Amino acid sequence: GAGVSQSPSNKVTEKGKDVELRCDPISGHTALYWYRQSLGQGLEFLIYFQGNSAPDKSGLPSDRFSAERTGGSVSTLTIQRTQQEDSAVYLCASSLFSEETQYFGPGTRLLVL
Amino acid sequence: GNSVTQMEGPVTLSEEAFLTINCTYTATGYPSLFWYVQYPGEGLQLLLKATKADDKGSNKGFEATYRKETTSFHLEKGSVQVSDSAVYFCALIVSNTGKLIFGQGTTLQVKP
Repeated sequence: GAGVSQSPSNKVTEKGKDVELRCDPISGHTALYWYRQSLGQGLEFLIYFQGNSAPDKSGLPSDRFSAERTGGSVSTLTIQRTQQEDSAVYLCASSLFSEETQYFGPGTRLLVL
Repeated sequence: GNSVTQMEGPVTLSEEAFLTINCTYTATGYPSLFWYVQYPGEGLQLLLKATKADDKGSNKGFEATYRKETTSFHLEKGSVQVSDSAVYFCALIVSNTGKLIFGQGTTLQVKP
């Protein structure tokens, strides 16, 4: 079946602009996660949605980052007033339930000039 | 806190050599342990996992055993191939959270 999909695959933006990154999880998966992969920091957890529960936002690096998940499916990660240090690959993953195996999308490569 | 430490890379081996990539962890509770692999130009893929002490995960000739007494989950393969060249990440899931905590990744290069 279809895996996790993300769009866009690449995004180049200017410092100070807002960006939206989209994730379509595997159908039927109740848990959705965002991670960031950067050269200096490795793979970092950002935010986690489980069903209708309040999301775990403990990994978001600043209040410029936010995410929502509509209808328990598609998720959007928004970065406001982007900074050069936000340049990274943003990965989305989903799992059937919390603590089950997570399946990753191909990522969105963000470059902030 | 929860953390994962992997051996420094890059690791360069000749084809058919034996591979070990060390991974140790610190965690509260009883985490599940994972190895993910990232081939050049591709996304993260699950390689294998183990959910409790003494479990052995295996896939594609790779193996790792969950050792609670040494808090380790070392990745091994008896005979590597050029196609195994990739970045390997050890990870744990923090109990009751679902968050994956990753090690820093180990780059493996296999030469013919």
